[in-house]
Amino acid sequence: GAVVSQHPSRVICKSGTSVKIECRSLDFQATTMFWYRQFPKQSLMLMATSNEGSKATYEQGVEKDKFLINHASLTLSTLTVTSAHPEDSSFYICSARDFSGNQPQHFGDGTRLSIL
Amino acid sequence: AQSVSQHNHHVILSEAASLELGCNYSYGGTVNLFWYVQYPGQHLQLLLKYFSGDPLVKGIKGFEAEFIKSKFSFNLRKPSVQWSDTAEYFCAVTSSASKIIFGSGTRLSIRP
Repeated sequence: GAVVSQHPSRVICKSGTSVKIECRSLDFQATTMFWYRQFPKQSLMLMATSNEGSKATYEQGVEKDKFLINHASLTLSTLTVTSAHPEDSSFYICSARDFSGNQPQHFGDGTRLSIL
Repeated sequence: AQSVSQHNHHVILSEAASLELGCNYSYGGTVNLFWYVQYPGQHLQLLLKYFSGDPLVKGIKGFEAEFIKSKFSFNLRKPSVQWSDTAEYFCAVTSSASKIIFGSGTRLSIRP
């Protein structure tokens, strides 16, 4: 069964809306969670690394005020896309890693975000 | 900076044909290497991984990959593909920096 749950799986909303995506580790404690974005016909791109209890580390070119990440507990990280615009439409995937740092990461099923 | 290259963007094969997907990475230190598969409409799943030891790694569903350090390569192979192998395949690398870097993916289409 799934070890990482991502919710919602699909969001359609109007431009200017803020959207929150949740990533939960179901049967392990995730000290580190990663947020990826996938454009059509392209590979996953790492957006940010989220460590429990500390500020997320954003990749170059990713606006931290636009993509707010919170990792308040060992089983939950959230990504909020603030004031979303059509260019933010994409597929967002989270992944989580446990204390031991064992690879590989476990991936969520992804969230398809469509901004009208 | 680390990078992963998958030179074949789209591969089309007939059933029972042999498969080899190329993956090259650039990083001078110790790396961990992965192949992921994404079936249509599904999330990424791990096919196989290499950490250390035998450079020929066996994965699920009959896939294998060989780590050739001198060539910075980790090519994915399968002797005889099936229609159900139609998917997108991603090579990925991690290092001591702890973040995973993906290649751009190779779309595999299998003709019945």
